[in-house]
Amino acid sequence: DIQLTQSPSFLSASVGDRVTITCRASQAFGTYLAWYQHKPGNAPKLLIYVASTLQSGVPSRFSGSGSGTEFTLTINSLQPEDSATYYCQQLNNYPLTFGGGTKVEIK
Amino acid sequence: EVQLVESGGGLVQPGGSLRLSCEASGFIFSNYWMNWLRQAPGKGLEWVANINQDGILTYYVDSVKGRFTISRDNAKNSLYLQMSSLRAEDTAVYYCARDPPGDDAFDVWGQGTMVTVSS
Repeated sequence: DIQLTQSPSFLSASVGDRVTITCRASQAFGTYLAWYQHKPGNAPKLLIYVASTLQSGVPSRFSGSGSGTEFTLTINSLQPEDSATYYCQQLNNYPLTFGGGTKVEIK
Repeated sequence: EVQLVESGGGLVQPGGSLRLSCEASGFIFSNYWMNWLRQAPGKGLEWVANINQDGILTYYVDSVKGRFTISRDNAKNSLYLQMSSLRAEDTAVYYCARDPPGDDAFDVWGQGTMVTVSS
């Protein structure tokens, strides 16, 4: 199984800050990696797929990059509505797996 | 409006069974792989199972193999998860999600249905 390790597991940042979340894989794969935003009581929301493609309707302050074993999600100019938990997911091998999540708090 | 609505959750005793449903609307259901995922209380997201467009191919996470069965009825635009031999560790919010051809990500999710396994 491909294990995904996200770091940090928690971060607190101010409105307008640039935030970077890292997702490291236990083995290399291509770019079948997605990022989701999940707020309590809501359905998870797709932000990025195939590592760097922005999902339609997602603000351009979100971006993704990486390949192989290291991927990043960057939020430029953090907004209050970005308070949520963010998950990476690999869709290259079964079982499909998620990272442990990164909770983003707005100071 | 593209929508997925889960139902069928509830309280069940350990060893019991439950069938979850996911009704799709607003898109051509038969064109999509479909998935079940879950989130246990205080934990992260976990993929559970998926099924291809015609229901022939199915995949499961190891922890549910032999106990859960995913199926679909394209005529009813519905996805199902038959769960048996339920354990306390199956307690979670269960989500269905669609996987568009070629995108390799889950672009539409339902709101989830809670399953509690407890005596």
